[in-house]
Amino acid sequence: DTEVTQTPKHLVMGMTNKKSLKCEQHMGHRAMYWYKQKAKKPPELMFVYSYEKLSINESVPSRFSPECPNSSLLNLHLHALQPEDSALYLCASSQAGTGYNEQFFGPGTRLTVL
Amino acid sequence: AQSVTQLDSQVPVFEEAPVELRCNYSSSVSVYLFWYVQYPNQGLQLLLKYLSGSTLVKGINGFEAEFNKSQTSFHLRKPSVHISDTAEYFCAESDQGAQKLVFGQGTRLTINP
Repeated sequence: DTEVTQTPKHLVMGMTNKKSLKCEQHMGHRAMYWYKQKAKKPPELMFVYSYEKLSINESVPSRFSPECPNSSLLNLHLHALQPEDSALYLCASSQAGTGYNEQFFGPGTRLTVL
Repeated sequence: AQSVTQLDSQVPVFEEAPVELRCNYSSSVSVYLFWYVQYPNQGLQLLLKYLSGSTLVKGINGFEAEFNKSQTSFHLRKPSVHISDTAEYFCAESDQGAQKLVFGQGTRLTINP
């Protein structure tokens, strides 16, 4: 199984809502990533988890809260988002460790904040 | 700081014509290079990667890339494109010990019949 799955595919939320994005992989990878991608732009790294511990936070606003409950699951909790947070949110995973490890991407969740 | 430059934001070509998508990287130390493709409304898929060894790297879907250290380039090529190759292509680099990829701005490949 070389797949990263993400749910939901689409999400519309108001600025006062709380919602969560989910990501799952069963490749035994120990590094997992959240990216944000705006239209016609490359993915921007948000968070990296390595061995279930947060290792990189790219100065992301606190209205985004990541969680890694176990080595297969990654969540992104959303609260009090702004319309400019509307984007495609991509999850990825890789073997942990050095930079030569390929990242496997999920299909993304398209988020619209009203 | 690492940076990746994709020299063309858009490349239109005719079906069955050859194509080259250009990428220059900045790292002067050991570097790992990747090409990813993103089809409309999908995530990114790895086309190929250069880690070490042979400078000509073959990937999926008939794509190949050549690592050129003296020119700090990693251009992607395909001898004959198909309509289904229409997508956004991202070049990315990483290095030893890094946990993150540095992406270029992307090149939109459009295939005209």
